[in-house]
Amino acid sequence: RKEVEQDPGPFNVPEGATVAFNCTYSNSASQSFFWYRQDCRKEPKLLMSVYSSGNEDGRFTAQLNRASQYISLLIRDSKLSDSATYLCVVFRDDKIIFGKGTRLHILP
Amino acid sequence: GAVVSQHPSWVICKSGTSVKIECRSLDFQATTMFWYRQFPKQSLMLMATSNEGSKATYEQGVEKDKFLINHASLTLSTLTVTSAHPEDSSFYICSAKNEGRGLYGYTFGSGTRLTVV
Repeated sequence: RKEVEQDPGPFNVPEGATVAFNCTYSNSASQSFFWYRQDCRKEPKLLMSVYSSGNEDGRFTAQLNRASQYISLLIRDSKLSDSATYLCVVFRDDKIIFGKGTRLHILP
Repeated sequence: GAVVSQHPSWVICKSGTSVKIECRSLDFQATTMFWYRQFPKQSLMLMATSNEGSKATYEQGVEKDKFLINHASLTLSTLTVTSAHPEDSSFYICSAKNEGRGLYGYTFGSGTRLTVV
């Protein structure tokens, strides 16, 4: 079992819809959590950090449930430019551990 | 903001040759840099942690004699893929840690797409 597991995707979603991604991590010693975005053939870029109290940034909301070892990302009013792969990222022992990513296609 | 420059962005080489990839932190000093590899539709996998002035720490299953890492200065780390074979074809990305920014201090290079023919 991989340390960070994500929804397999791809998600094909009409523009304007709301889409949710899930992620689970297996190591309870994981310290910090982030969502990254990766466009095709590009480097990953930090989207937002994830806290137990929730984190909202515009149309994006991220949530952490430490008890369930579960992380979520919600995108509201999706735009064509949101099409990308979303990576669930866990920091543990000064290492960055990436999930496989979930591909999102926003359809016009 | 913090910038990490990675070169080349893509390279095609013949089987059996060696390829060097450079990773530079342009506006900060990085005592620690990381090298990742990403195969198509797979996650980024950490290959090794590069520490300035000391030997790199390799992840399990990564051959240190094949993937040579040098971190001779606080702004430059290099990864050399020696005797490359087609199965080494992949997307290689470096990341540099800006110590002053804590967990937000990890900046990625733009990646190098290696194709071995």
